[in-house]
Amino acid sequence: SQTIHQWPATLVQPVGSPLSLECTVEGTSNPNLYWYRQAAGRGLQLLFYSVGIGQISSEVPQNLSASRPQDRQFILSSKKLLLSDSGFYLCAWSPNRDSNQPQHFGDGTRLSIL
Amino acid sequence: AQSVTQLGSHVSVSEGALVLLRCNYSSSVPPYLFWYVQYPNQGLQLLLKYTSAATLVKGINGFEAEFKKSETSFHLTKPSAHMSDAAEYFCAVSYYSGGYQKVTFGTGTKLQVIP
Repeated sequence: SQTIHQWPATLVQPVGSPLSLECTVEGTSNPNLYWYRQAAGRGLQLLFYSVGIGQISSEVPQNLSASRPQDRQFILSSKKLLLSDSGFYLCAWSPNRDSNQPQHFGDGTRLSIL
Repeated sequence: AQSVTQLGSHVSVSEGALVLLRCNYSSSVPPYLFWYVQYPNQGLQLLLKYTSAATLVKGINGFEAEFKKSETSFHLTKPSAHMSDAAEYFCAVSYYSGGYQKVTFGTGTKLQVIP
C-alpha cells in the first residue's frame, strides 16, 4: 500500500532563516505531488504541484520554492522566512493522470515563525 | 472553473443526533467529489468519494453522502453523532486540467459534538 511521510512534524524558526520541509511517498511510482498551506481559519491553498522529476509549477507567487529531485521526493524550501510563512504545510500525492482518484495527505508540518 | 461551497463554517450537534454538513458544487463537467476529515494538527483523511458509479456513497466511520445533480449538492450525513466525530470537514471537487489533477477544496466546516 502507499504511504506518505512528511517531516518535521513541528518547526519553530526565526524570521530570515532558511527552510526545508521534506515529503516522500512509498508504494507508487510517478505520482503527482502537491504542497498546500493551511493558515489558521482559512482553507487549503495550493502552493506547488509536480507531475514529474524536475517539473514544478507554482500556483501562488511567494517566498517559497519547491523541488523534486527524485520521483517520490518533494521538498519545500525558503531562503529567508517571513512572519507570513507561518502555517500548517501539507504534502499530498495522487495517481498521475487519473482525476477520479483522491489526493492523499501527509500528517503535515506546523511551522511557526518568531 | 470548478468550485465547491460549504454552507456553515461551524456546526454543532448533540451526541446521537443527525449530522448534516452541506456542500454545493459548480462544475462544467461531470464532477469527481470527495469529503475529507481533519483532526487537529493532522493531515486530511479521505472519508468518501463520488466518481459517478452510484449517487449514494458510503464512507468510513458511518458517514455517507448523496450526489444530487439537480441540486448540485453533495451533502455529508451520519445518522448518529459520536464525540469522536468532532473535527473539521472539507468538501472537494477534482478535475483534470493542464496535465495534472487539480482539486478545489471548500473552506471547511468545523463540527462540534455536544455531550
